Amino acid sequence: DAKTTQPNSMESNEEEPVHLPCNHSTISGTDYIHWYRQLPSQGPEYVIHGLTSNVNNRMASLAIAEDRKSSTLILHRATLRDAAVYYCILIAYTDKLIFGTGTRLQVFP
Amino acid sequence: DGGITQSPKYLFRKEGQNVTLSCEQNLNHDAMYWYRQDPGQGLRLIYYSQIVNDFQKGDIAEGYSVSREKKESFPLTVTSAQKNPTAFYLCASSVHRESGYTFGSGTRLTVV
Repeated sequence: DAKTTQPNSMESNEEEPVHLPCNHSTISGTDYIHWYRQLPSQGPEYVIHGLTSNVNNRMASLAIAEDRKSSTLILHRATLRDAAVYYCILIAYTDKLIFGTGTRLQVFP
Repeated sequence: DGGITQSPKYLFRKEGQNVTLSCEQNLNHDAMYWYRQDPGQGLRLIYYSQIVNDFQKGDIAEGYSVSREKKESFPLTVTSAQKNPTAFYLCASSVHRESGYTFGSGTRLTVV
C-alpha cells in the first residue's frame, strides 16, 4: 500500500482558510485519494475523495497535483468544530483503508 | 437513517476471557472493516471482509477472529490470545474505494 506524508500539526484562526498538505510520491495510477477527520473518542468522518481532478463538496475542496504526487485539503473558512486529526489515505485496488498518523489541526478563536 | 451501529460503547473484560464486539450496518455495503486505535495513535487494520462468507487478515490480526455470515453484520471476537486488548475498536463499511467509507462510533474495551 502506498504511503502518505502529512505534517504532524497545523494551526489556524477561525474563519480563515486552511490548506492541509499531503505527499504521496509513490501513488499508483489507480489509487484513490481519501480524506477523513477524527474528533477525540469518535469514529473517523469522511471528508472528501478524488482520483485525478479537483473535487468540491459542502465540507471542503480537494486539490490534486497534476502528477498526483501530492494533494491539498482546503477548508475554506475554519470553524472551531473543524479542530480534529485529518488523515490523507490512498486506497488501492484492494479497497483497504490504511491510516497514517495524520495532521492535528488546531483552530483558535 | 442508514449507518453503522457498534455495541456496546464501553466493555470491560477480565483477563483470560474472550469477548465479542458487535458491528451492524444497514447501508447495504459489501465491504466491512475492523480497526484498533491506541491512545494518541492512528488506526490499525485488524480484519476486513469484501463479501459475505469471506474475510482477510489485516496488519494486526493475531489474537482476533471474525465472521461474516450476513452482509449486515461483522462481529469481532477478541480472544485471550490477544496480549494487550485494551483499546478503542472501530468498525467501518464501504461500497468500494470510489465512495467514502462510513465508520461506527466505536467500542472502548478495557481489560481489568
